[in-house]
Amino acid sequence: ETGVTQTPRHLVMGMTNKKSLKCEQHLGHNAMYWYKQSAKKPLELMFVYNFKEQTENNSVPSRFSPECPNSSHLFLHLHTLQPEDSALYLCASSQEPTGGETQYFGPGTRLLVL
Amino acid sequence: QKEVEQNSGPLSVPEGAIASLNCTYSDRVSQSFFWYRQYSGKSPELIMSIYSNGDKEDGRFTAQLNKASQYVSLLIRDSQPSDSATYLCAVNKQGAQKLVFGQGTRLTINP
Repeated sequence: ETGVTQTPRHLVMGMTNKKSLKCEQHLGHNAMYWYKQSAKKPLELMFVYNFKEQTENNSVPSRFSPECPNSSHLFLHLHTLQPEDSALYLCASSQEPTGGETQYFGPGTRLLVL
Repeated sequence: QKEVEQNSGPLSVPEGAIASLNCTYSDRVSQSFFWYRQYSGKSPELIMSIYSNGDKEDGRFTAQLNKASQYVSLLIRDSQPSDSATYLCAVNKQGAQKLVFGQGTRLTINP
C-alpha cells in the first residue's frame, strides 16, 4: 500500500448505529487530519493530530470521536449520528502539522446516515 | 466575510485556451497558499504551492500570488478536457496548524 488509505470507502448507517472509519498513512508523516466535505460547502477541518497527540478540535460534536494510536493510524468513531452528518470524510497527512506543509489526502469514506 | 473565497463556477473554457482561476483571502498574515485539484468522486490532490509574491510555473500551470491585494490565482495553459475538475484554493497562516479551504471552482474544458 502507498500513500494514504481509508476504509471503508462507503458506509450506510442508522442514527443509532456505532461505526468506525479507519485511515492509514504509509508516508512516514507525523501529522494526520480528519476533514468533512459536504455538498456545496468548503472542506471543513475536524481534527489535527501531531505525533499521536490531538492538537486541534474544530468544535466538532462529541458524536465524532477520534483516536490516534500511533502516527500512522487514525480512526474516527461514530455514534448517534444525524442525517446532516452524511458527507465525504477525508483523512490527510503531512510531514509536520504546520499547515505550511503539503497535505496528502486519502480517497475518503462516503457516509450516508439514514 | 469568508476566510477564503472562490467563484464556484462552473467556468467553461474551450480546449487549448487559458483557464484562469481566482481566489481571495481575508487574513493578511497568511503565509502559504495551495491549489488542489479534485475530480468528481475523488480526493483532492496538490497542483501547486506558492509562498512568495509573484509567479510560480510548473508545466502548464502557473500560480500567481499578490499579498498586498490578498489574492492568489491559477492559470492553466493549453487547457485539456482532462483538466475538467473542481479546483480548491487553500490558505494557511504562519504558525497555524490548519489549512482553510475555499469552496472550489468547477472548471469544464470543452473539446
